[in-house]
Amino acid sequence: GDSVTQMEGPVTLSEEAFLTINCTYTATGYPSLFWYVQYPGEGLQLLLKATKADDKGSNKGFEATYRKETTSFHLEKGSVQVSDSAVYFCALSDRMNTGFQKLVFGTGTRLLVSP
Amino acid sequence: KAGVTQTPRYLIKTRGQQVTLSCSPISGHRSVSWYQQTPGQGLQFLFEYFSETQRNKGNFPGRFSGRQFSNSRSEMNVSTLELGDSALYLCASSPRQGAGLYGYTFGSGTRLTVV
Repeated sequence: GDSVTQMEGPVTLSEEAFLTINCTYTATGYPSLFWYVQYPGEGLQLLLKATKADDKGSNKGFEATYRKETTSFHLEKGSVQVSDSAVYFCALSDRMNTGFQKLVFGTGTRLLVSP
Repeated sequence: KAGVTQTPRYLIKTRGQQVTLSCSPISGHRSVSWYQQTPGQGLQFLFEYFSETQRNKGNFPGRFSGRQFSNSRSEMNVSTLELGDSALYLCASSPRQGAGLYGYTFGSGTRLTVV
């Protein structure tokens, strides 16, 4: 089945540093791709999404580009803040045998930003 | 606009008992999905409901069941609890069935501890 692979964490950065969290996927079709963020003690929040190749999703200074040729959807931010400390999940929409779709998540990457 | 509401936030149950978790989706959202999050297995899809019908089911035993009411509220039930059922259970809603184009809005989850 479809799968998502994320870089191991934790990723530790100083405030204002550049962030990259790598995400690659395996899919038989043309999935939509997502980044979700989970703050301590909370559920997941949709950060950004891209529905087709070469689409760029962006939100709150975060960006990710759907690269079909490299099957990647890396998350980037030019200048991280302490408040960005959280766990980030890459996900794809997986079409099931029923024709409907569910999300397949990566294992998550913890980001720690220090002042 | 109210978000996805899950109750209760925390539960402690004994092995062999059963438990019911509740989820109220965002107003107007007709699709409700459930995910289990554990440190070992990550985020795994349980099932999706749309218009009071289960549309998709993940690879979980029959002890896990759910239902959706006419107001789109959903409940998830786990019978004969096992220690391995300890997890954060997340509910997510979407305007339509499937997450391919819309992504989900997640609730804060119910943390179930089985002792």
